[in-house]
Amino acid sequence: KQEVTQIPAALSVPEGENLVLNCSFTDSAIYNLQWFRQDPGKGLTSLLLIQSSQREQTSGRLNASLDKSSGRSTLYIAASQPGDSATYLCAVRVIQGAQKLVFGQGTRLTINP
Amino acid sequence: ETGVTQTPRHLVMGMTNKKSLKCEQHLGHNAMYWYKQSAKKPLELMFVYNFKEQTENNSVPSRFSPECPNSSHLFLHLHTLQPEDSALYLCASSQDSGWTEKLFFGSGTQLSVL
Repeated sequence: KQEVTQIPAALSVPEGENLVLNCSFTDSAIYNLQWFRQDPGKGLTSLLLIQSSQREQTSGRLNASLDKSSGRSTLYIAASQPGDSATYLCAVRVIQGAQKLVFGQGTRLTINP
Repeated sequence: ETGVTQTPRHLVMGMTNKKSLKCEQHLGHNAMYWYKQSAKKPLELMFVYNFKEQTENNSVPSRFSPECPNSSHLFLHLHTLQPEDSALYLCASSQDSGWTEKLFFGSGTQLSVL
């Protein structure tokens, strides 16, 4: 059974710092990995989608990497801003089991002005 | 605005009530999903519909009954719920149910069962 773990559960950093969020998964048989952002009481906003054949994806100040063989992904946020404060979730689409995204529990990020 | 709209945003119901959650997507997608997000637990997939046909039921209790009348609308009918069913219910859509597709989520319905 695929399990997705995100460490740390919470992170607080000063504005302007570069930071890395981590995601690990137990089964490398995945189609893709997706990073989402969730604001309190709100739905999820897709940030980046990395297919299993890709190593990284970039969007603005965000860069996500994928090392499928080691079961790891990182989300790099450059020059963090208070507006980046949110919970960040990663999810893998598993090959076993139809149409299933398996989510981690998320990292709650706070950027302090 | 994500293109996926859920109503109501908040719902409080008793265990004997019957209520429905509604989801509408304006993205021209063909696959729609219900997810449950409980406190301190990862998101859990509940149901998947592809071209109006249910393709997955993730062992969801029968007190949750989905309905997909067309590719743009998805409902979740609720009856005789339990307090542990209190959670944020999220609807999502994708172009189709293909493995490479990105999911787009609505803002969710925060459900409280008393």
